Amino acid sequence: ETGVTQTPRHLVMGMTNKKSLKCEQHLGHNAMYWYKQSAKKPLELMFVYNFKEQTENNSVPSRFSPECPNSSHLFLHLHTLQPEDSALYLCASSQDPSIRGTSGGDTQYFGPGTRLTVL
Amino acid sequence: DAKTTQPPSMDCAEGRAANLPCNHSTISGNEYVYWYRQIHSQGPQYIIHGLKNNETNEMASLIITEDRKSSTLILPHATLRDTAVYYCIVRVARGGATNKLIFGTGTLLAVQP
Repeated sequence: ETGVTQTPRHLVMGMTNKKSLKCEQHLGHNAMYWYKQSAKKPLELMFVYNFKEQTENNSVPSRFSPECPNSSHLFLHLHTLQPEDSALYLCASSQDPSIRGTSGGDTQYFGPGTRLTVL
Repeated sequence: DAKTTQPPSMDCAEGRAANLPCNHSTISGNEYVYWYRQIHSQGPQYIIHGLKNNETNEMASLIITEDRKSSTLILPHATLRDTAVYYCIVRVARGGATNKLIFGTGTLLAVQP
């Protein structure tokens, strides 16, 4: 699927590095999400942005810093990470989640993920 | 928040129908049942969702029991490429400002040749 793209697909970084993950959605959605999937664990929601405003921070450490400059782009800035932060980081987007209606129309669509390894 | 229970794994022969069950006995009246799947190391892929009625699309069918306490995802003709972890999720909504998908451990469907 090309609706939600993520770059880079793979990233290896040291604990003192600063890097950023990028997500872009081409679906005309207004909400974007960051999830983390560690080995053998379920996906965990990290952040939610709706119309560029952060609406959810799921107790994520400050070494992860999200940025949403517009409804189509989402970044995750990384600094001084730990080896246990190694995981698959997934971005998703949806329509305005306050829209309920009868169709559940705020279905989330995911990108392919960035496989992050912290040495 | 309604939780879901799925078997950890299932096998299915290629070309046969795969029926994946999910229990969600504490589901609320306004909560939808969503199904996603995740092929190894890729992002989750949306499959289908429903509220009360059975639903069908080009990928699968979703059968929801009348009491809504359980559902079954049906892949009518499974192929090797359908091997994946399948997640049944009851969507949680809080005040319309967030749209949480709470993923469990899902069912690993292994399609056998």
